[in-house]
Amino acid sequence: AQSVAQPEDQVNVAEGNPLTVKCTYSVSGNPYLFWYVQYPNRGLQFLLKYITGDNLVKGSYGFEAEFNKSQTSFHLKKPSALVSDSALYFCAVRDGKLIFGTGTRLQVFP
Amino acid sequence: NAGVTQTPKFQVLKTGQSMTLQCAQDMNHNSMYWYRQDPGMGLRLIYYSASEGTTDKGEVPNGYNVSRLNKREFSLRLESAAPSQTSVYFCASSVLLVDEKLFFGSGTQLSVL
Repeated sequence: AQSVAQPEDQVNVAEGNPLTVKCTYSVSGNPYLFWYVQYPNRGLQFLLKYITGDNLVKGSYGFEAEFNKSQTSFHLKKPSALVSDSALYFCAVRDGKLIFGTGTRLQVFP
Repeated sequence: NAGVTQTPKFQVLKTGQSMTLQCAQDMNHNSMYWYRQDPGMGLRLIYYSASEGTTDKGEVPNGYNVSRLNKREFSLRLESAAPSQTSVYFCASSVLLVDEKLFFGSGTQLSVL
């Protein structure tokens, strides 16, 4: 079965610094990978997806993700973090329907 | 633009009580889903409906039933609530089952005492 793992429960970063939220995957065949974000008291929102093609995928709100086949990773990145980026981030893989990771809480400090 | 609407937003039940969570979408989507969100476990799929008239079990279907009432509405029923069903429940929809972009409702916070 397809799965994703998010090894960090929480990531702390200072505003203006680059951020990385990690995700690794385990799939058979070509992976279809996604990132979603959840702001407090809200449902999840789609950020970006990797289906095929360029290993660097650009998404909403200045986020991007790097697909690395040799490391089976799909890390979420942003060059300069904002306090408003503080939220819960989920990596997901498509296995017919979407299967989500356990989530990583990003805290950006002023 | 309502998107995906869930009711109620909050609910407290006693063990053994029953209730139905309602979900409706106005985007003409074919597929709908129910997830539960628990600390440290992320989102887990309870049931889904690929299209009107079909429903299938997800990862954690035990203790739940669903009804795809029409293309817009997908309800989740707890027949006899248990404390283990205390969770935040999210409904979502997508154009197709294999669509990568899900649209989520704002959730129902359920406590079972």
